[in-house]
Amino acid sequence: DGGITQSPKYLFRKEGQNVTLSCEQNLNHDAMYWYRQDPGQGLRLIYYSQIVNDFQKGDIAEGYSVSREKKESFPLTVTSAQKNPTAFYLCASSISADEKLFFGSGTQLSVL
Amino acid sequence: GQQLNQSPQSMFIQEGEDVSMNCTSSSIFNTWLWYKQDPGEGPVLLIALYKAGELTSNGRLTAQFGITRKDSFLNISASIPSDVGIYFCAGRRGAQKLVFGQGTRLTINP
Repeated sequence: DGGITQSPKYLFRKEGQNVTLSCEQNLNHDAMYWYRQDPGQGLRLIYYSQIVNDFQKGDIAEGYSVSREKKESFPLTVTSAQKNPTAFYLCASSISADEKLFFGSGTQLSVL
Repeated sequence: GQQLNQSPQSMFIQEGEDVSMNCTSSSIFNTWLWYKQDPGEGPVLLIALYKAGELTSNGRLTAQFGITRKDSFLNISASIPSDVGIYFCAGRRGAQKLVFGQGTRLTINP
């Protein structure tokens, strides 16, 4: 089955720790995205990548980093510089940058 | 940046009722998308609209691309318990990034 897989489903971060959220897709999509969702809020774009080895900052990139070494994978690192990391993180992909997005099932990140 | 106003923010209805929600933008869009999100899950695409005036159905769901290209509407007929969730609109202008509304939370009383 084709789809987008996010892992883990739940993640806990200690103070000063970097954590990495995984996102893998087997849809052969060129574009991939990371969104942050806070309770009762809409989706805010963190980073996006339109092609392998290239990515751009979204609206709230500070405190986050990404890489796109393979077409299938777009991991997100939440660094210690992100002072309010508790949120639901959603990964998405699309055939190209101007096509509809398909989402993974999300990762809930909480601070210990 | 671009803003999408989605209304209402929440709805409490009886099972079997019809539902209407809408999204308005300060800018013209050439794509409108409607998603549904269940608790703890990612949004699932319901309907995609690409042309002003377009009316598209997906089962009991019907969405329309407003003729001004600044709004879109989603209707759900004869609601059932599994319709509960958060509905998001999203719009795009040209090659720009997709912009999401704040969501409409639908609650259904059996």
